[in-house]
Amino acid sequence: AQTVTQSQPEMSVQEAETVTLSCTYDTSESDYYLFWYKQPPSRQMILVIRQEAYKQQNATENRFSVNFQKAAKSFSLKISDSQLGDAAMYFCAYRSARIGNKLVFGAGTILRVKS
Amino acid sequence: DAGVTQSPTHLIKTRGQQVTLRCSPKSGHDTVSWYQQALGQGPQFIFQYYEEEERQRGNFPDRFSGHQFPNYSSELNVNALLLGDSALYLCASSLGGYTEAFFGQGTRLTVV
Repeated sequence: AQTVTQSQPEMSVQEAETVTLSCTYDTSESDYYLFWYKQPPSRQMILVIRQEAYKQQNATENRFSVNFQKAAKSFSLKISDSQLGDAAMYFCAYRSARIGNKLVFGAGTILRVKS
Repeated sequence: DAGVTQSPTHLIKTRGQQVTLRCSPKSGHDTVSWYQQALGQGPQFIFQYYEEEERQRGNFPDRFSGHQFPNYSSELNVNALLLGDSALYLCASSLGGYTEAFFGQGTRLTVV
């Protein structure tokens, strides 16, 4: 079974600074997707960024980028120029490429942004 | 374009009762997945519905059951509620189960 581990229960960053959230995962599959979701106090899970395992290039979405290390099974999220609106719970998630497969989530990291 | 909508937003039930939660998928989506998120934890997969059938199920007891209607909307039913069933229940929809999943705002269930 696949597992996702987020070892940082909580992180803090100063506004405009850069922060990196860590995620490791375990799988025997070769084809899969990895995601970072943001969950603000409104509770709705919002997709931040996704990475296809077959792509060597790291995904980037504006201020958000990932460092995908397939051999090490590591998938970290870097947030640049942090903003107050980035404060939320962040979840790393795994999904097999097989049709219909479920999302497997980590325990989450609370990100606090200081002004 | 309406996203994923869930009802009700909040719910309080007594131990032993039964509850039904509802989800309308994003327009154009045909697959609905349900997740349970206990306080301070990541969501746990309950089951997924596609073409009105349960396609995959997580490690949840039979007290948790579901249904999908011809219009792709879905219900999650929980029987014989336990205190431990108190959680945020999230619905996610996708196309065929292999495109990006969009989540609703969740239903907060409190069992007393």
